[in-house]
Amino acid sequence: DAGVTQSPTHLIKTRGQHVTLRCSPISGHKSVSWYQQVLGQGPQFIFQYYEKEERGRGNFPDRFSARQFPNYSSELNVNALLLGDSALYLCASSSRPGTGGEQYFGPGTRLTVT
Amino acid sequence: QQQVKQSPQSLIVQKGGISIINCAYENTAFDYFPWYQQFPGKGPALLIAIRPDVSEKKEGRFTISFNKSAKQFSLHIMDSQPGDSATYFCAASRRTNAGKSTFGDGTTLTVKP
Repeated sequence: DAGVTQSPTHLIKTRGQHVTLRCSPISGHKSVSWYQQVLGQGPQFIFQYYEKEERGRGNFPDRFSARQFPNYSSELNVNALLLGDSALYLCASSSRPGTGGEQYFGPGTRLTVT
Repeated sequence: QQQVKQSPQSLIVQKGGISIINCAYENTAFDYFPWYQQFPGKGPALLIAIRPDVSEKKEGRFTISFNKSAKQFSLHIMDSQPGDSATYFCAASRRTNAGKSTFGDGTTLTVKP
């Protein structure tokens, strides 16, 4: 079975630009979470989506937004990129909030902002 | 606000030795405590997890010890192997929603042959 997939693998953008990152969860998983992992730090929670609805939001500015599609895949959008947005962006899927169970991470998208 | 504090930042162990990584949490609402292993260029992979109704959980060479009163938990890797060299993260969340986890800053483990 395919695990969580993310695209693209790497991305280089310029300050002020916009970026869209994509994630496909494990088959049967309906919840997707996004995390930002800055070099040398642990992942920080950005968003969680379930059934196309936002179920949680971390301490990130409004430049960050996300959505989930009917097939449970998800996009993370970041506007007006800053140098500090350079990080590994991780997507994780889990079965359903409220039922317990683990989350499984994809390989991430490495974003470099110059 | 650092809700999960992890130590040490880095650890060097000889092959066959015991690796110990510690974490402390603040939010008493947390009731699910996983450990993740991350290799360079990969996403974190779930290693082992514990709930606060038990004080210890063992899976193979990996053991989690949990101290609810101290709000601390630790990962012990017995008989450490060079292949265990990776970055380890502790995390905490509500049991009902692991998809909204708070992570420690990681420990880079190097196991020397």
